[in-house]
Amino acid sequence: DTEVTQTPKHLVMGMTNKKSLKCEQHMGHRAMYWYKQKAKKPPELMFVYSYEKLSINESVPSRFSPECPNSSLLNLHLHALQPEDSALYLCASSQQQGETDTQYFGPGTRLTVL
Amino acid sequence: RKEVEQDPGPFNVPEGATVAFNCTYSNSASQSFFWYRQDCRKEPKLLMSVYSSGNEDGRFTAQLNRASQYISLLIRDSKLSDSATYLCVVRGSTLGRLYFGRGTQLTVWP
Repeated sequence: DTEVTQTPKHLVMGMTNKKSLKCEQHMGHRAMYWYKQKAKKPPELMFVYSYEKLSINESVPSRFSPECPNSSLLNLHLHALQPEDSALYLCASSQQQGETDTQYFGPGTRLTVL
Repeated sequence: RKEVEQDPGPFNVPEGATVAFNCTYSNSASQSFFWYRQDCRKEPKLLMSVYSSGNEDGRFTAQLNRASQYISLLIRDSKLSDSATYLCVVRGSTLGRLYFGRGTQLTVWP
């Protein structure tokens, strides 16, 4: 089973709202990732958690705040977003074991900021 | 210079055609190579990993040329269901860090 789940599927929020995106995997993967994808562009890496610790932050604005409560869960807390933050937010996970390591993506949350 | 360069297409081919996509990468220390497929408004899904010796999975053949830093994907006997965007993906020397090409859009018509 290579399933990564994400909730919600769709989210519409105002610029003053606070919301959270959730991601879950039960494959025993030790690395989890957040990506942002705009239309007709490839995914852009935002954050990487390795063994529940933040290992990469791609200079993401502080209005995006990641959290990894345990090895199966990854959250992305959103606050004071801008309309240009509207995008598909993808979560991924991987075993993080050498050259054969493969990332598996969840279905994404389509975010619209009004 | 981008880490991964890929012809965005679009490629429009009839059913049954053979189509090839190419990709180049800039970092010679890159560790692993993949092709992902992404349908419209869906997540990327792994199509195949790419190994130095080349590998085949049914109608799909992937090749890697490390000396030229070049990756290819060949699709034989195209099906309507092959219509999607194909992403060339390279892992750099930092574990977990993937570099994506901009994707090549394929449309297979009946």
